[in-house]
Amino acid sequence: AQSVSQHNHHVILSEAASLELGCNYSYGGTVNLFWYVQYPGQHLQLLLKYFSGDPLVKGIKGFEAEFIKSKFSFNLRKPSVQWSDTAEYFCAVNSAPAAGNKLTFGGGTRVLVKP
Amino acid sequence: DTEVTQTPKHLVMGMTNKKSLKCEQHMGHRAMYWYKQKAKKPPELMFVYSYEKLSINESVPSRFSPECPNSSLLNLHLHALQPEDSALYLCASSQGGQGLTGNTIYFGEGSWLTVV
Repeated sequence: AQSVSQHNHHVILSEAASLELGCNYSYGGTVNLFWYVQYPGQHLQLLLKYFSGDPLVKGIKGFEAEFIKSKFSFNLRKPSVQWSDTAEYFCAVNSAPAAGNKLTFGGGTRVLVKP
Repeated sequence: DTEVTQTPKHLVMGMTNKKSLKCEQHMGHRAMYWYKQKAKKPPELMFVYSYEKLSINESVPSRFSPECPNSSLLNLHLHALQPEDSALYLCASSQGGQGLTGNTIYFGEGSWLTVV
């Protein structure tokens, strides 16, 4: 079965600091990779996704992620965070067709940006 | 704004009640999902409907009963729930169904359920 690991459960940083959130998955086949963000009291929103092609993908709000197949990783980065980036970030993996288009989430990383 | 709409946004029900959560999307998606999210936890898949047929049931207790009346609607019927079932229930949809790659799953805002 596929699994997704986010190693940082909580991250606290100041505005303008750089952010990198780790995500590793265990699945040897073709995967689709996602980062979702959940702002306090709000629903899950898609930040970015990787299906194929350029392993460096750019998303909304200045976020980017790099797919490194050899490391089974899909780390999220932002060069300079803002207070409004305070949220919970979820990495997710969809391993269709074996799992039937099933999205498996990592445990999430709570990010607190101090003004 | 999300194009997956869920009602009600909040629901409080007793353990003997029967209630339903509703979900609607008009993006032409053919796959719809129910996820459950407990506080400070990631969403967990409950059910997947593909082309209006139940394709995945993640060993969910029978007190949760999904229904897909048509390609735009997805219901979750609730009966005899337990307090531990209190959670945020998320509906989602994606373009394709089982076996297809390249699908982005879009989530609704969720229905907050409290079982008393």
